[in-house]
Amino acid sequence: AQTVTQSQPEMSVQEAETVTLSCTYDTSENNYYLFWYKQPPSRQMILVIRQEAYKQQNATENRFSVNFQKAAKSFSLKISDSQLGDTAMYFCAFMFSGDSGNTPLVFGKGTRLSVIA
Amino acid sequence: DGGITQSPKYLFRKEGQNVTLSCEQNLNHDAMYWYRQDPGQGLRLIYYSQIVNDFQKGDIAEGYSVSREKKESFPLTVTSAQKNPTAFYLCASRRTGPNSPLHFGNGTRLTVT
Repeated sequence: AQTVTQSQPEMSVQEAETVTLSCTYDTSENNYYLFWYKQPPSRQMILVIRQEAYKQQNATENRFSVNFQKAAKSFSLKISDSQLGDTAMYFCAFMFSGDSGNTPLVFGKGTRLSVIA
Repeated sequence: DGGITQSPKYLFRKEGQNVTLSCEQNLNHDAMYWYRQDPGQGLRLIYYSQIVNDFQKGDIAEGYSVSREKKESFPLTVTSAQKNPTAFYLCASRRTGPNSPLHFGNGTRLTVT
């Protein structure tokens, strides 16, 4: 079974600074996807970024980027120029590609990020 | 606009009563999922369904039941056998294909006293 570990339960960052959230996972599969989801105080889950394991290039979405190290099974999220609206719970998630493409996501326990003015 | 609707947002029940959480989607997605969220536990999979009239147990299915009679609907019943039912419940869906993102509803907060 796949597992996802987020070792930082809570983090804080000053507004406009950069912060990196850590995520490691354990799998014997070779084809999979990795995701970062954001859950603000409204509790709505929002997809931040995703990475296909077969792609070596790290995914980026505006101020959000990942450092994907497949051999190390590491998938960290970097948030640049942090904004107050980035304050949220961040979840790392793994999904095996599978046959049907509908396999469930496995989530980590989350990192609570606070952006301080 | 297409989306996933979970109702109600807050639900209160007495211990020993079964309760059903609603999840409806108009995105024409094949797969639907139920997750439970507890503080410090992340999201844990309860049940999922890849097609109508079929569903599979997740990691914490005990004390829960589901049905998938229609593509649009995937209700979750929390039975009296669930030892700690108070939690935040999230429903999600996606279309077929590994590259399709997971869409979430706004969640239901269930409190059992």
